Amino acid sequence: DVKVTQSSRYLVKRTGEKVFLECVQDMDHENMFWYRQDPGLGLRLIYFSYDVKMKEKGDIPEGYSVSREKKERFSLILESASTNQTSMYLCATSTGIYGYTFGSGTRLTVV
Amino acid sequence: QKEVEQNSGPLSVPEGAIASLNCTYSDRGSQSFFWYRQYSGKSPELIMSIYSNGDKEDGRFTAQLNKASQYVSLLIRDSQPSDSATYLCAVNLGGYQKVTFGIGTKLQVIP
Repeated sequence: DVKVTQSSRYLVKRTGEKVFLECVQDMDHENMFWYRQDPGLGLRLIYFSYDVKMKEKGDIPEGYSVSREKKERFSLILESASTNQTSMYLCATSTGIYGYTFGSGTRLTVV
Repeated sequence: QKEVEQNSGPLSVPEGAIASLNCTYSDRGSQSFFWYRQYSGKSPELIMSIYSNGDKEDGRFTAQLNKASQYVSLLIRDSQPSDSATYLCAVNLGGYQKVTFGIGTKLQVIP
């Protein structure tokens, strides 16, 4: 089975901090995605990547950036954390047309 | 108009009944359709995928797709309390597998 590991389950950061969320997959999946999930808004795509060094903006990229230096690792960066970025962050991978495998999620609170 | 629409629920059904979950989508070019189950505090897990019109069965789950009417549904037969979760409908246009999610329908199976 594909395993998608997110480095932190819970994270508390202060406003203005630079925050790194890490995602690592142990299969050879080309596609990796970062979503955030908020009550009443569902899952919204922040950034995605189809290959190493490649990145594409999703629906809500403002305030975020990403890095994919190796195929198995996709990092989400909050340049200057704000309280409206308090959310559940979910990393996902896929290959072909077979749907996503999600990591366990990181619940980020910005105070 | 939202791209993927679901009734947020909650949908309550008695144990042993059939639960019917519905989803409509706006883009006629959509090619792949997925149902994810998400337990409270957990990440989504893929339970069904469907790519062509008709029904697809897997155990107690049946996914139904009608591209002409732009809807996809999930039937859960012999519902169990362990089926109580939020069910997310997801749709993609093909190609790079960027998926759009509905907000999810919360299902409650009453013992």
